Amino acid sequence: GAGVSQSPRYKVAKRGQDVALRCDPISGHVSLFWYQQALGQGPEFLTYFQNEAQLDKSGLPSDRFFAERPEGSVSTLKIQRTQQEDSAVYLCASSRARGTIYFGEGSWLTVV
Amino acid sequence: KQEVTQIPAALSVPEGENLVLNCSFTDSAIYNLQWFRQDPGKGLTSLLLIQSSQREQTSGRLNASLDKSSGRSTLYIAASQPGDSATYLCAVPRGTGNQFYFGTGTSLTVIP
Repeated sequence: GAGVSQSPRYKVAKRGQDVALRCDPISGHVSLFWYQQALGQGPEFLTYFQNEAQLDKSGLPSDRFFAERPEGSVSTLKIQRTQQEDSAVYLCASSRARGTIYFGEGSWLTVV
Repeated sequence: KQEVTQIPAALSVPEGENLVLNCSFTDSAIYNLQWFRQDPGKGLTSLLLIQSSQREQTSGRLNASLDKSSGRSTLYIAASQPGDSATYLCAVPRGTGNQFYFGTGTSLTVIP
């Protein structure tokens, strides 16, 4: 596609619910990244895939966060038993192996 | 852990003014530094990438400098325009790919 596409754009979840956020990277981009951006803050790295391999998940804040990219294209970030502190914008980005990084517009998660 | 700080947090200037945004980082062992722009409700767009071997990088009215030894970078915007209004973020690598530590950003408003 023309850019990185994320869905849903907006999600309101009740505390304790599970959520799944989807990312469609730019076609041909082998690298895919997830970042979390709290209001008024810079993005915080969560995890990184090269093709289907999750090479770095050091930024995932807890074992409630899980990401996958089973076929090396679309990725899903899953948050189990959501808590209020999970409220943030979740940004997906993709790039060629070491090329320019392109960000999606983000999925805005509000936990109530 | 690398700490990236940006000052000022917010800046408001009249159209036409030249301005400087500042970024500092605690670990000087970086191989590049990148400046991004974020418009409200949008993802990030890469503006300039400076390799550690470079001291400056220019793109149009933007000029970024890097002083690794002092842990500082500046983004200079010449002849500011209302369309420059956005949040500007600097980022340094946290891995071998496009994983970054981001600063908290400077929110710029250019008044017509």
